[in-house]
Amino acid sequence: LAKTTQPISMDSYEGQEVNITCSHNNIATNDYITWYQQFPSQGPRFIIQGYKTKVTNEVASLFIPADRKSSTLSLPRVSLSDTAVYYCLVPISGSARQLTFGSGTQLTVLP
Amino acid sequence: GAGVSQTPSNKVTEKGKYVELRCDPISGHTALYWYRQSLGQGPEFLIYFQGTGAADDSGLPNDRFFAVRPEGSVSTLKIQRTERGDSAVYLCASSSKGTSGYNEQFFGPGTRLTVL
Repeated sequence: LAKTTQPISMDSYEGQEVNITCSHNNIATNDYITWYQQFPSQGPRFIIQGYKTKVTNEVASLFIPADRKSSTLSLPRVSLSDTAVYYCLVPISGSARQLTFGSGTQLTVLP
Repeated sequence: GAGVSQTPSNKVTEKGKYVELRCDPISGHTALYWYRQSLGQGPEFLIYFQGTGAADDSGLPNDRFFAVRPEGSVSTLKIQRTERGDSAVYLCASSSKGTSGYNEQFFGPGTRLTVL
């Protein structure tokens, strides 16, 4: 059963790059790693998804080492509005349809 | 285009009462999911619909919880004999494909249920 572990909280300052690392030791060979963001009083929002190496979009980058036992979400030059909870997700099984969330990482961006 | 909408945004009820929570998914999305989120926790899966049928209801906590999606669009989550422990934010999500839950899911703002 795949499970993720990520820091409970992180603080950063505006303009800095933030890296949030997630460990997923039991990830299956064909599984993707997905990150969601959640602001207070809103539903989660998809940020990025990847399988290996590096994926980049307009919001973030996702770095996945060759062993795929961990991944790092990188947010460039954060602003106050990036304060949110960030969730790293992997499927609980190959046939899983639902998302399985842990407790996430509360990122607080300070001025 | 319109996103996922949920009504009501807030619902306060008394212990033992019956409640219905509604979800309007993004038009054309065949897959619909219900999650429940308690304070300080990540969302917890309840049930998944592919079209009109409940493809996976393994997350429903007990038989007081039931959900329907009769025409393959709008879904209603029904809770009978509510208990204080049912208090949470109930989130609905939809996606265009049901073959993998890790296709992007689009979440609504949730319904905050408070059972007094």
